[in-house]
Amino acid sequence: ELKVEQNPLFLSMQEGKNYTIYCNYSTTSDRLYWYRQDPGKSLESLFVLLSNGAVKQEGRLMASLDTKARLSTLHITAAVHDLSATYFCAATNYGGSQGNLIFGKGTKLSVKP
Amino acid sequence: NAGVTQTPKFRILKIGQSMTLQCAQDMNHNYMYWYRQDPGMGLKLIYYSVGAGITDKGEVPNGYNVSRSTTEDFPLRLELAAPSQTSVYFCASHPIDRILNTEAFFGQGTRLTVV
Repeated sequence: ELKVEQNPLFLSMQEGKNYTIYCNYSTTSDRLYWYRQDPGKSLESLFVLLSNGAVKQEGRLMASLDTKARLSTLHITAAVHDLSATYFCAATNYGGSQGNLIFGKGTKLSVKP
Repeated sequence: NAGVTQTPKFRILKIGQSMTLQCAQDMNHNYMYWYRQDPGMGLKLIYYSVGAGITDKGEVPNGYNVSRSTTEDFPLRLELAAPSQTSVYFCASHPIDRILNTEAFFGQGTRLTVV
């Protein structure tokens, strides 16, 4: 059974600081997703990671994937207030009759001046 | 493209009432999902479908039913609403293509309160 764990669940940062959110998954996954959710809103896709060693960057956010360790990270560089949101990772096993897309519990990020 | 459309956006139900949450996508995606998100919590998978006529249970299926008669539509049925089903419900879809670098697309959510 595929399980996804994120940590930390809450993260309070000062502007300008760096931090990393971790996402572990329990079984082989075809791909790993990162999403952002603002309060009262739907989920916005940030990254899709398809292979071991994949690294993607968008602005102050960088995501990486280590399929051997079943670990993905979301690194925040020089945080700004606009990055305050909840970040989710999700893993899946597509193919055949499988199609579950399982989310972690989310990391609520608060960036303070 | 409309993407993933959920209706209604808000609904208040009385205990024991029934309702159907509608979800439609116009992207010809094979995979579709229903999630619930309780306040301050993550998303829990209720049901999913890998194509028309095929559905499967997720993590929290009790109290819900689904059907997938067409590629476009994936309604979620609550037969006997209970306060524990108060939540925000999200529908999502994903293409079957395993090569393209694509994400799952989410609807705007349905906020359901059972009183």
